[in-house]
Amino acid sequence: DAGVTQSPTHLIKTRGQQVTLRCSPKSGHDTVSWYQQALGQGPQFIFQYYEEEERQRGNFPDRFSGHQFPNYSSELNVNALLLGDSALYLCASSLYVPRTGENEKLFFGSGTQLSVL
Amino acid sequence: AQSVTQPDIHITVSEGASLELRCNYSYGATPYLFWYVQSPGQGLQLLLKYFSGDTLVQGIKGFEAEFKRSQSSFNLRKPSVHWSDAAEYFCAVGAAGGYNKLIFGAGTRLAVHP
Repeated sequence: DAGVTQSPTHLIKTRGQQVTLRCSPKSGHDTVSWYQQALGQGPQFIFQYYEEEERQRGNFPDRFSGHQFPNYSSELNVNALLLGDSALYLCASSLYVPRTGENEKLFFGSGTQLSVL
Repeated sequence: AQSVTQPDIHITVSEGASLELRCNYSYGATPYLFWYVQSPGQGLQLLLKYFSGDTLVQGIKGFEAEFKRSQSSFNLRKPSVHWSDAAEYFCAVGAAGGYNKLIFGAGTRLAVHP
């Protein structure tokens, strides 16, 4: 049973470009969350997708957008890249429990290291 | 605003020594608290969590943490550290309940001397 898989593992872009990162959730999970982890910092919540809709969003500009597909996989898109977007982008998946309104345990992928030059 | 503070950026201990990593949180309601570990090039692995009940929680790899509401703390402990415990440790609070949206501290990097 594969865990959370992310691609690519590393990526180099230049300022102003656009980037798409991909995530496949753990089998049986229906919710995908994205986090940005800058060097020397803790992860910061970007947004969460459930039933192909953005359900929650952190304090990130509109340049950060996402998508969830019917198979629960997800993409994170960042437009007009800035040097400050250089970070490790982590995807995490979980199973939403409608009865409680909460997600069960979060599983993280190994991340995509994005470098913006 | 919700926040998590890990006062120690870097800690070095000798193998076999005890360990305590500090975590303080700011949260208006009953917090959901977590400790995660991250090894180089890896994602985050959950060590333990506190949602309610017994304030001393046991986790994997011999770790435990104690929730102290009066001190707004959730410190991580281990009685005897192994060289393989060297990693970055993150404390987090569940801002929207459970695992829905986590707010992480800046992390504590643990080095273990042989």
